[in-house]
Amino acid sequence: QQPVQSPQAVILREGEDAVINCSSSKALYSVHWYRQKHGEAPVFLMILLKGGEQKGHEKISASFNEKKQQSSLYLTASQLSYSGTYFCGTPLNAGGTSYGKLTFGQGTILTVHP
Amino acid sequence: NAGVTQTPKFRVLKTGQSMTLLCAQDMNHEYMYWYRQDPGMGLRLIHYSVGEGTTAKGEVPDGYNVSRLKKQNFLLGLESAAPSQTSVYFCASSLSSYEQYFGPGTRLTVT
Repeated sequence: QQPVQSPQAVILREGEDAVINCSSSKALYSVHWYRQKHGEAPVFLMILLKGGEQKGHEKISASFNEKKQQSSLYLTASQLSYSGTYFCGTPLNAGGTSYGKLTFGQGTILTVHP
Repeated sequence: NAGVTQTPKFRVLKTGQSMTLLCAQDMNHEYMYWYRQDPGMGLRLIHYSVGEGTTAKGEVPDGYNVSRLKKQNFLLGLESAAPSQTSVYFCASSLSSYEQYFGPGTRLTVT
């Protein structure tokens, strides 16, 4: 079952902060975050693993609440380049990220204005 | 290093026609995936492969077939296209269960 993201859309001015949430109906072992700019391919942002480990290469932070089965992506001091659609992905099958099979949320559209 | 490439970029089919989408990666990745992206639905996994000669079904496999005869290539086939298969198709590859690298996508319209 696909995770649910909220909000569906966010409009910001440069320098403002935003939080994007991702909730799942099943136990989570990992959460993956991607960003997609209009007309382009999704690009990996980060992965959060059960136990607190984070792997990523963007200056964007995230939290992972295993008990609540949800993750939040924090975008602070937003820049114009942050605009795009953000997707969270969770393991398609219970028990971990076997072979990287993911089911993705419907996306959150982030628009940053000057 | 081209990363992940997809051909063609655009295609229009009539209902009942068949076609094959080609995905190629030059990063020596073991895992490859085919997704479809529809408005408001996010990305949905069609089929995936964990190595040369192996394929398996994802979330929405019906109406599609795949093959991975060479490690660097992953083909997605539509035997009899239907309007419901109008979508943007993305291929991705990964070295492990973590970061996936996506291709630029193929926009398919079935009339």
